[in-house]
Amino acid sequence: ETGVTQTPRHLVMGMTNKKSLKCEQHLGHNAMYWYKQSAKKPLELMFVYSLEERVENNSVPSRFSPECPNSSHLFLHLHTLQPEDSALYLCASSQGGGPNSGNTIYFGEGSWLTVV
Amino acid sequence: EDQVTQSPEALRLQEGESSSLNCSYTVSGLRGLFWYRQDPGKGPEFLFTLYSAGEEKEKERLKATLTKKESFLHITAPKPEDSATYLCAVQARGSTLGRLYFGRGTQLTVWP
Repeated sequence: ETGVTQTPRHLVMGMTNKKSLKCEQHLGHNAMYWYKQSAKKPLELMFVYSLEERVENNSVPSRFSPECPNSSHLFLHLHTLQPEDSALYLCASSQGGGPNSGNTIYFGEGSWLTVV
Repeated sequence: EDQVTQSPEALRLQEGESSSLNCSYTVSGLRGLFWYRQDPGKGPEFLFTLYSAGEEKEKERLKATLTKKESFLHITAPKPEDSATYLCAVQARGSTLGRLYFGRGTQLTVWP
């Protein structure tokens, strides 16, 4: 069983659809993240949840709505997306430490999203 | 502004031909530098974390080193299965939990 599991692996949706990406971590971590990876761009942090509380929203449009019901699960709700939102969406988790402790982030396999 | 630059963008090596990948960074106080491997269509796989200049870590054919300005990922006698994109990321002191600044990666191809 992999440490961070994402479903679905591939998703094609129209601009008027509503869909959700799901993530589950089996590592006992207390922090979870959504990252976006677009072609030819570095990975970008979207959202951070620590102990189920959102601590960061990195200027992400409101058509992306995260939800963290507990420390093991994370969702990304999608609605009225644009074609330029097509990308690989990566969920990740870590054991949050103090402000000066490097916490290693472990990624899932990602969900490939295509908006048509 | 915190930045991470990786070079080269792409590298082709013959099997057994050792080389190094570079990651240069500018950050206001380094909390950690991370190396990941990413295969096509998959998420990044964690390789190493380095915390302070002079630190080195090894795993099989890979060895990561860190100075105050850059990190190197040395690949000794690579095999075709080492072909992947290698990502470098830094975390700054005092930054938001989980905020990693990633480079664009080096795409490594090892041919038999």
